[in-house]
Amino acid sequence: NAGVMQNPRHLVRRRGQEARLRCSPMKGHSHVYWYRQLPEEGLKFMVYLQKENIIDESGMPKERFSAEFPKEGPSILRIQQVVRGDSAAYFCASSPGDRGPGYTFGSGTRLTVV
Amino acid sequence: GESVGLHLPTLSVQEGDNSIINCAYSNSASDYFIWYKQESGKGPQFIIDIRSNMDKRQGQRVTVLLNKTVKHLSLQIAATQPGDSAVYFCAENEGGSTLGRLYFGRGTQLTVWP
Repeated sequence: NAGVMQNPRHLVRRRGQEARLRCSPMKGHSHVYWYRQLPEEGLKFMVYLQKENIIDESGMPKERFSAEFPKEGPSILRIQQVVRGDSAAYFCASSPGDRGPGYTFGSGTRLTVV
Repeated sequence: GESVGLHLPTLSVQEGDNSIINCAYSNSASDYFIWYKQESGKGPQFIIDIRSNMDKRQGQRVTVLLNKTVKHLSLQIAATQPGDSAVYFCAENEGGSTLGRLYFGRGTQLTVWP
């Protein structure tokens, strides 16, 4: 089991371009979470998804950000028309759905907007 | 709770000493707590968790203490080693049978000196 896989590890985009971040959960995990981390800050929740459903998107900015977790394939976090303030580390985590022991996180995608 | 600041709280200890990292939470409804370790450039790694019906839980070299009266959580690391150097985050989850969003604390930078 390779754990939670995120790609790319590093992504550079010019302002106005689109960023697509991918996350493959651990085998057997049907719950996926996306978090954003700014330098020297804790992780901030963005969205919680199950297969084909968004369960909680209360942490997602209202515009330009979207997430999906299709029946087949990885979860995608999509940021349209990126701005410099979107530069951050984006982490994906997965869980089997029942409580504990916590999530398993991926290694993150570091997005830099130039 | 959430906070934004310029610098992380820091803790410096000598190799072999015990470390205590503290965390305050504000949500009385939180009933599941997790400690994560994050090394530079990596995703958070699960260390230990505790439910609100417990006051103390021990793992390998780590102990988590929960004081619900004052909403305080601590992580004790015995015989701290250089490999323990990292940022440590507490996270909380409130209610429900499924692990949903986690609220992360700001983190503490632990540095272990040889």
